[in-house]
Amino acid sequence: TQLLEQSPQFLSIQEGENLTVYCNSSSVFSSLQWYRQEPGEGPVLLVTVVTGGEVKKLKRLTFQFGDARKDSSLHITAAQPGDTGLYLCAVKRRGATNKLIFGTGTLLAVQP
Amino acid sequence: EPEVTQTPSHQVTQMGQEVILRCVPISNHLYFYWYRQILGQKVEFLVSFYNNEISEKSEIFDDQFSVERPDGSNFTLKIRSTKLEDSAMYFCASGTEYGYTFGSGTRLTVV
Repeated sequence: TQLLEQSPQFLSIQEGENLTVYCNSSSVFSSLQWYRQEPGEGPVLLVTVVTGGEVKKLKRLTFQFGDARKDSSLHITAAQPGDTGLYLCAVKRRGATNKLIFGTGTLLAVQP
Repeated sequence: EPEVTQTPSHQVTQMGQEVILRCVPISNHLYFYWYRQILGQKVEFLVSFYNNEISEKSEIFDDQFSVERPDGSNFTLKIRSTKLEDSAMYFCASGTEYGYTFGSGTRLTVV
């Protein structure tokens, strides 16, 4: 079983459409991060959410942390081809190393 | 903006050969990591390195793998006797307690 399940796994939409992707778990987390990964590149941090119910906005991207801190969503308004990529949620596991555990990912393709 | 630099960007090797993947972390970072991403699969933690020693490793990181920080700047991942299933993108990351930065990765292909 996966610690972090993301849905949908794949999403292909037209430029200008809105979309939401989800990151779900049965565990409670102190914080959660969202990354975007483009082909041939490493993950790039978009945002960290730390408070249950927290909403953060990054231009056309809106991130929300669930009230119970078990899940999160990423909403993109008026998607553009430049939003194409693999969106990953991730959580830090407790301990000295702060290692990240990544979700299964949502591959987004925005068609012009 | 500071970057984590990985070399080579691509490496093709014969099965059974040894490879060394190199990383130059961001200079004031104290935590170093290697992650792996097999094509079409999720990013997986391999190992973390702090204070010049391994602080945590995953079950993937068996005796075939080793890490070193030979000169205080470079951070290397050595894979001995490579297998076909070692083919993947390998990402180095460096960080502080507040977060970290990934390199662009090395695509390793074992043939």
